[in-house]
Amino acid sequence: AQSVTQLGSHVSVSEGALVLLRCNYSSSVPPYLFWYVQYPNQGLQLLLKYTTGATLVKGINGFEAEFKKSETSFHLTKPSAHMSDAAEYFCAVEIQGGSEKLVFGKGTKLTVNP
Amino acid sequence: NAGVTQTPKFRILKIGQSMTLQCAQDMNHNYMYWYRQDPGMGLKLIYYSVGAGITDKGEVPNGYNVSRSTTEDFPLRLELAAPSQTSVYFCASSFAGGIGYNEQFFGPGTRLTVL
Repeated sequence: AQSVTQLGSHVSVSEGALVLLRCNYSSSVPPYLFWYVQYPNQGLQLLLKYTTGATLVKGINGFEAEFKKSETSFHLTKPSAHMSDAAEYFCAVEIQGGSEKLVFGKGTKLTVNP
Repeated sequence: NAGVTQTPKFRILKIGQSMTLQCAQDMNHNYMYWYRQDPGMGLKLIYYSVGAGITDKGEVPNGYNVSRSTTEDFPLRLELAAPSQTSVYFCASSFAGGIGYNEQFFGPGTRLTVL
């Protein structure tokens, strides 16, 4: 069965610093990959997705992620953190041609310090 | 479009009480989902539906029931509330099956406390 591991339940960065949130998946077939963001007391919102094609995908608010098949990773990055990026981030995987259900990681809470 | 709406936003229940969490979407999505979110545990799928009249269990269905009589609505029923059901519940919907991948749209959540 597919699974998603997010390394680090809490990540703290300074405003203007690089944001790196890690996600690794397990799958025997190429997956579809997603990053969702959850702001305090809100639902989840899609940040970006990888389906096919270019392995570097760009999302909203300056975030991007790179699909690395050899490392089974889909890490999320942003060159310069902003205070408004403080939120919880979830990586999710869907197996192509599978059940069309998403499997979510446990989430990483990002704190941005002034 | 309102997207995915959920009611109520907050609710406190006593042990053994029952309630229905409402979910509606106006995007004509065929798939709908119910998740629960507990601190540090991510989202766990409770039930899902691939269309009106069709539902199936997810990872944590015990203590819950669902129905899907219309495309728009997907209520979640708790029959005998227990403290273990204290959680934040999210409804989501997607148009799955046609485009290959399953981008889900989430409602704002219902925060439920069982005392």
